[in-house]
Amino acid sequence: QKEVEQNSGPLSVPEGAIASLNCTYSDRGSQSFFWYRQYSGKSPELIMSIYSNGDKEDGRFTAQLNKASQYVSLLIRDSQPSDSATYLCAVNPPWGNEKLTFGTGTRLTIIP
Amino acid sequence: ETGVTQSPTHLIKTRGQQVTLRCSSQSGHNTVSWYQQALGQGPQFIFQYYREEENGRGNFPPRFSGLQFPNYSSELNVNALELDDSALYLCASSPGTSSNQETQYFGPGTRLLVL
Repeated sequence: QKEVEQNSGPLSVPEGAIASLNCTYSDRGSQSFFWYRQYSGKSPELIMSIYSNGDKEDGRFTAQLNKASQYVSLLIRDSQPSDSATYLCAVNPPWGNEKLTFGTGTRLTIIP
Repeated sequence: ETGVTQSPTHLIKTRGQQVTLRCSSQSGHNTVSWYQQALGQGPQFIFQYYREEENGRGNFPPRFSGLQFPNYSSELNVNALELDDSALYLCASSPGTSSNQETQYFGPGTRLLVL
C-alpha cells in the first residue's frame, strides 16, 4: 500500500463547478497535511495546510480532514481555467519533522 | 515567489559524471529539504539539513550527498550519475521550529537530464 494515494486523473470539471480532489494516507499517526498546486514545468506551490479534523476554508478552497478515515480532500469552488494544474497531497508522518511524503498528484482540467 | 532560489535552472550531464545543485533558503529559515521529482510522480524526499547537520534521509543511495552552510544555503551533490537520475530537483525551506505543523516552501527547481 502506498503511503499517500491520490487518483491520478485526469479530472475534468466545467468552469464554475466544484472540483473535488481526494487523498488517503496509510500512517494513522500523521499530524499535518498539505495541498500543493503544480503547474506544468513549475515547482509545487502551497494551497492549503490542515492539522485538525474538519474543514478549513480559504477563499475558493476548502480542505477537509478526517483522521479516523485517514482521508483528506480539497474542494475548489467556482473553478476557473487557471485552476488547471496537478494537485499534490503531502503528509508529514509522525516521525516527520517536515519530511513530507507526497502522493503522485491528480491532474485537474477546468473546461471553459 | 517563495524567496527560495535554486541554481542552475537546467543542466545536462552524461552518465557517470558528477553534479552539484545549489539552493538559497528563504530569509529566516534554517531548514532545507531536498526532493527528487521524476516525470509524472510526486516529489520524493532525499534528505534534510537543519543548522548545518543532516536531519533525516530518504531512500536514496550514498552517492546523493549534501551540505548546508552557515548562511543556511545548501548543496545537493550526486556522484556517478545514472540515467534514472534525470528529474526535477526541488529544494524547500522551512523555519525549523521542530513543529510538525511547519510549512515547506519550494524553490523553482533544477531540471537535470542525464544522457
